[in-house]
Amino acid sequence: NAGVTQTPKFQVLKTGQSMTLQCAQDMNHNSMYWYRQDPGMGLRLIYYSASEGTTDKGEVPNGYNVSRLNKREFSLRLESAAPSQTSVYFCASSSLGFGGNTDTQYFGPGTRLTVL
Amino acid sequence: DQQVKQNSPSLSVQEGRISILNCDYTNSMFDYFLWYKKYPAEGPTFLISISSIKDKNEDGRFTVFLNKSAKHLSLHIVPSQPGDSAVYFCAARAAYNTDKLIFGTGTRLQVFP
Repeated sequence: NAGVTQTPKFQVLKTGQSMTLQCAQDMNHNSMYWYRQDPGMGLRLIYYSASEGTTDKGEVPNGYNVSRLNKREFSLRLESAAPSQTSVYFCASSSLGFGGNTDTQYFGPGTRLTVL
Repeated sequence: DQQVKQNSPSLSVQEGRISILNCDYTNSMFDYFLWYKKYPAEGPTFLISISSIKDKNEDGRFTVFLNKSAKHLSLHIVPSQPGDSAVYFCAARAAYNTDKLIFGTGTRLQVFP
């Protein structure tokens, strides 16, 4: 039982390049999330998916797209990377869904992205 | 506008003493609060939570206190251990939007021998 896994762990991009961050969970959770963590800013929600086939914007969605490929996988895409997207990205999952009960989020180990 | 605030970016405590981490919030609709712990190069891990219907929740060395009237919660760690050295994030959730957690900026705790 690996929990939440993320690939890659590290990535360096040039401005304008694109890439996809992958996330998978094996806990049969309904909800999945993408956050970014910046110094002094805490964790900010980029996008989330309350169930397979649905996605919603979070606090900072600009410059990102997501795909909930199936119940296990939730990917984050940067179409044209910018230096402002240099950050540590965390994927999370929870069993909380629409109308669900209280639950916690389980986080992956993170992807450290640098955009030059 | 920061809805969840952790005004102390860092805290240093001697081993064996009590660590108190504070968190303030502005949204009166928050009904569930959580503390996460994060080590370097790892993802945050859930530590303890509290519902707004309670004012205290205890789990071993960790106790969270909630003061709804003051919109304030605190995490007490007694006794503090060197392994507790990490960044602690406070998070809150509103009943009308149970899919979203709002995180504070974190407090770095260092426990020294």
